[in-house]
Amino acid sequence: QKEVEQNSGPLSVPEGAIASLNCTYSDRVSQSFFWYRQYSGKSPELIMSIYSNGDKEDGRFTAQLNKASQYVSLLIRDSQPSDSATYLCAVEGSGGGADGLTFGKGTHLIIQP
Amino acid sequence: KAGVTQTPRYLIKTRGQQVTLSCSPISGHRSVSWYQQTPGQGLQFLFEYFSETQRNKGNFPGRFSGRQFSNSRSEMNVSTLELGDSALYLCASTDRGGPAGELFFGEGSRLTVL
Repeated sequence: QKEVEQNSGPLSVPEGAIASLNCTYSDRVSQSFFWYRQYSGKSPELIMSIYSNGDKEDGRFTAQLNKASQYVSLLIRDSQPSDSATYLCAVEGSGGGADGLTFGKGTHLIIQP
Repeated sequence: KAGVTQTPRYLIKTRGQQVTLSCSPISGHRSVSWYQQTPGQGLQFLFEYFSETQRNKGNFPGRFSGRQFSNSRSEMNVSTLELGDSALYLCASTDRGGPAGELFFGEGSRLTVL
């Protein structure tokens, strides 16, 4: 049974600070990792994907992957109130997209003005 | 470019009935997958279709089924509805030319079973 674990939060961060979201996964052969953002009442939206160990930066977002530790994280710099949402970590196994993504239950992030 | 379109957006059914949900993927996307989202279980994979073939199915009972048409549009069906089937059903499409996990989700169909 593949599992993806996230702290449900809420994680409260002051505006302008760095928000750090963490995720661990159980399937050691997982190859691809994704962060989706879901606003209340809306559908998930892909914000970052990462496929190899290390850091990947895109604007204010940085994804970090450590396959040895089976750990993925998302950093949001200069947090804005509009970043308040639930962030879902998703993992794709070695079977590719046909196996579907395994999602964590999400971390609820609140950016305090 | 139009996004993923799901219909209906909201529906209410009673136990024992069946329901059919429809999904039109982004133009050019040939892979369509379905997910169930509930507060308790989060997002769970139902099945994925590519070129009218079901490639894999998640851990759901046989009451959950789907199909894909030649124009890549997809439908999912739930028969003999149970209270626990109340959920947001999300359809997602992807361009198989790109990473399979980079999904574009529709707004979902919210099913309430009474």
